[in-house]
Amino acid sequence: EAQVTQNPRYLITVTGKKLTVTCSQNMNHEYMSWYRQDPGLGLRQIYYSMNVEVTDKGDVPEGYKVSRKEKRNFPLILESPSPNQTSLYFCASRRRTDHMNTEAFFGQGTRLTVV
Amino acid sequence: EDKVVQSPLSLVVHEGDTVTLNCSYEVTNFRSLLWYKQEKKAPTFLFMLTSSGIEKKSGRLSSILDKKELFSILNITATQTGDSAVYLCAVGKLIFGQGTELSVKP
Repeated sequence: EAQVTQNPRYLITVTGKKLTVTCSQNMNHEYMSWYRQDPGLGLRQIYYSMNVEVTDKGDVPEGYKVSRKEKRNFPLILESPSPNQTSLYFCASRRRTDHMNTEAFFGQGTRLTVV
Repeated sequence: EDKVVQSPLSLVVHEGDTVTLNCSYEVTNFRSLLWYKQEKKAPTFLFMLTSSGIEKKSGRLSSILDKKELFSILNITATQTGDSAVYLCAVGKLIFGQGTELSVKP
């Protein structure tokens, strides 16, 4: 089954304790991206990746890191989480062609609470 | 910088009403515009639009794109309570608008 898998689904952590949210897709998609969703603000892009070893900042990258060492995985790293990073996080992937963008597939979401 | 603005931000209607949701955008190198529906979980795909003037339909939902005026509309006819959700549009590097929260009352 084609899917994007995020882990964990729920996480409560303390300020300053490094954490990683994993994202894996099994569709051989080139493009992957991370979002945070807060009430009334829609989906705001944190980082995106066009392919392996190619990453770039989205609209709200501060406090986050990513890596893309393999095509299927795109982990989101919070080196020193703070309470303002409490949010619902989504990972997405899509096939990338030269002529058009394609449908994006989303993970189930990770609800992160930083206390 | 890619930008998407959706309106209205929220909408309350009664079952059977018809609604029109708006999405205006600015993007370098336009390729497609995507519509998604989100019901308290991950967004689910509705439509992808690439050409102006061609309507996409799926049951009571339809959407059309105007590449000259840089906007798209999503129409929902004969709304049902199950249509209550946040509707999102996206362009370019998957940049999303704020979404329109639709609430359909019985």
